[in-house]
Amino acid sequence: GENVEQHPSTLSVQEGDSAVIKCTYSDSASNYFPWYKQELGKGPQLIIDIRSNVGEKKDQRIAVTLNKTAKHFSLHITETQPEDSAVYFCAARDPYGKLTFGQGTILTVHP
Amino acid sequence: KAGVTQTPRYLIKTRGQQVTLSCSPISGHRSVSWYQQTPGQGLQFLFEYFSETQRNKGNFPGRFSGRQFSNSRSEMNVSTLELGDSALYLCASSPLAETQYFGPGTRLLVL
Repeated sequence: GENVEQHPSTLSVQEGDSAVIKCTYSDSASNYFPWYKQELGKGPQLIIDIRSNVGEKKDQRIAVTLNKTAKHFSLHITETQPEDSAVYFCAARDPYGKLTFGQGTILTVHP
Repeated sequence: KAGVTQTPRYLIKTRGQQVTLSCSPISGHRSVSWYQQTPGQGLQFLFEYFSETQRNKGNFPGRFSGRQFSNSRSEMNVSTLELGDSALYLCASSPLAETQYFGPGTRLLVL
């Protein structure tokens, strides 16, 4: 089955800096890659997603890039703010519709 | 639109008991997926229902079961609870099983 590796497990940045989280996946047939943000006591919230026929997608301060050949995708957050502090999860969906998640990255943005 | 709702939000059970968790998807969404989230194993896929049929299943023992009703509401049941079943159980709904929207989860503690 699909295996998703996520790095780093923790990331600490200063407010205003950029943050990058990277994921690799194993199943070349996976075709959909969402990113979720989870705050304490809440369920994961979808922040951006990308499909396998697109190389890059941007939404204000958040962008995701996908390299199908290397089977990796990354989340980029620019101009980080303290409210960006949370746990971030990447995921990959296989052709059967099953989502496999990475282990998560704890992002801390220091004011 | 109202988001995904899960009841109850918190639950305490003892070993050997059984538990039923409920999930109401976003109006119009026909797919409901369930996940178990623990600090050690992260987010793990349990099963997915679409139009009352189980479409995907994760690698969990038969003690974990679910069903979906004609109004798309879903229930998950865990029988013969074990200490290791303590977790946050998340439900996610999707219009066509791609983009998934999570509920706040049910936190289950097994004593």
